[in-house]
Amino acid sequence: GQQVMQIPQYQHVQEGEDFTTYCNSSTTLSNIQWYKQRPGGHPVFLIQLVKSGEVKKQKRLTFQFGEAKKNSSLHITATQTTDVGTYFCAGTTGGFKTIFGAGTRLFVKA
Amino acid sequence: SAVISQKPSRDICQRGTSLTIQCQVDSQVTMMFWYRQQPGQSLTLIATANQGSEATYESGFVIDKFPISRPNLTFSTLTVSNMSPEDSSIYLCSVEGDEKRNTEAFFGQGTRLTVV
Repeated sequence: GQQVMQIPQYQHVQEGEDFTTYCNSSTTLSNIQWYKQRPGGHPVFLIQLVKSGEVKKQKRLTFQFGEAKKNSSLHITATQTTDVGTYFCAGTTGGFKTIFGAGTRLFVKA
Repeated sequence: SAVISQKPSRDICQRGTSLTIQCQVDSQVTMMFWYRQQPGQSLTLIATANQGSEATYESGFVIDKFPISRPNLTFSTLTVSNMSPEDSSIYLCSVEGDEKRNTEAFFGQGTRLTVV
């Protein structure tokens, strides 16, 4: 079945350092979404990428969708303590089902 | 966007009992999704609930264990039946912002279940 793999599982960074999480799908995706879940909270939508090679930015966050629409990345520049949480990618293949990656838990040390 | 009210937010239950979780959406939606998130893990889809028909369960989940109701287009319940400690998890309901275009998912606040 369809799988969405996400790495790393967790990462510790010093405040001000950059952070990147990667997702890979076993099949071509129609779109990919990114969510952030703060400790004790529920997933909150960040962005959706639809086009091959698409790049979107939200302040310090940069999202990329691969040319083959099978991989994606989220890069955070100059992390802050407010960035702490788990970042999930989620892919769909055209049906209504969304498959979540395992998530990358980000720890930021002040 | 969609606003989802989910309750209870948490509960501690005895093994062998059942808990029903409710989700209320502020708009009409065709499909509602129920997920389970075990501690430190990702979200696993339990089932998709359509109004007026039986829920569709994912592999590893059965109706007898997780009966779902969907009486109208704004409400759904998930029951965790005959609970065991292995059912301790966070349960989340979800809807899509635009069902026709596979847009973002909106989640309820989650129900943190502990079975003792």
